Amino acid sequence: DSGVTQTPKHLITATGQRVTLRCSPRSGDLSVYWYQQSLDQGLQFLIQYYNGEERAKGNILERFSAQQFPDLHSELNLSSLELGDSALYFCASSVGDIGGYTFGSGTRLTVV
Amino acid sequence: AQSVTQPDIHITVSEGASLELRCNYSYGATPYLFWYVQSPGQGLQLLLKYFSGDTLVQGIKGFEAEFKRSQSSFNLRKPSVHWSDAAEYFCAVGARDNNDMRFGAGTRLTVKP
Repeated sequence: DSGVTQTPKHLITATGQRVTLRCSPRSGDLSVYWYQQSLDQGLQFLIQYYNGEERAKGNILERFSAQQFPDLHSELNLSSLELGDSALYFCASSVGDIGGYTFGSGTRLTVV
Repeated sequence: AQSVTQPDIHITVSEGASLELRCNYSYGATPYLFWYVQSPGQGLQLLLKYFSGDTLVQGIKGFEAEFKRSQSSFNLRKPSVHWSDAAEYFCAVGARDNNDMRFGAGTRLTVKP
């Protein structure tokens, strides 16, 4: 157990739908990062939050959004889902802005 | 922006043999460098990291990596591979002036008995 908790572990949904992925960071970590891992794109950085505020944005689609709550857990919202959004979504956390991240075990999203 | 290249998509070694996984980075200044390992169905686990100082970094599970500025490389090594080391290995580079950490495409390690 890495200390970073992601739920759900698996999600199957239809195209056009909206889903929410949840992440609880390791205790004491203020930064949360979201990554998408797919076979063709590899591991892509989506977005980072630090202590409730958006800190950095990567290759995140406009259909996707995220937030970090006062208790530091984070949610990644994916809407108008397409087949190509099927992937593993990882959350990672760290104490500060940079450093060794601790990854969760991921949420496998399948869009059918 | 920084980038990482892992030239080897797949490597097969015999159990007990030595291992070297290659990683080349592109970044204008001294980067933060990391190696992660991902077992099937699992998240990524940090093996080791380099921020500054001694260019030979020791990590967990008997791994080490050497930062070579002149070659823009950060290769991962292990003197004797165990069957449990079979996994996907990712090199990552972070810039010192932003929060964007870039991962390489990964190298899949197969260990032969």
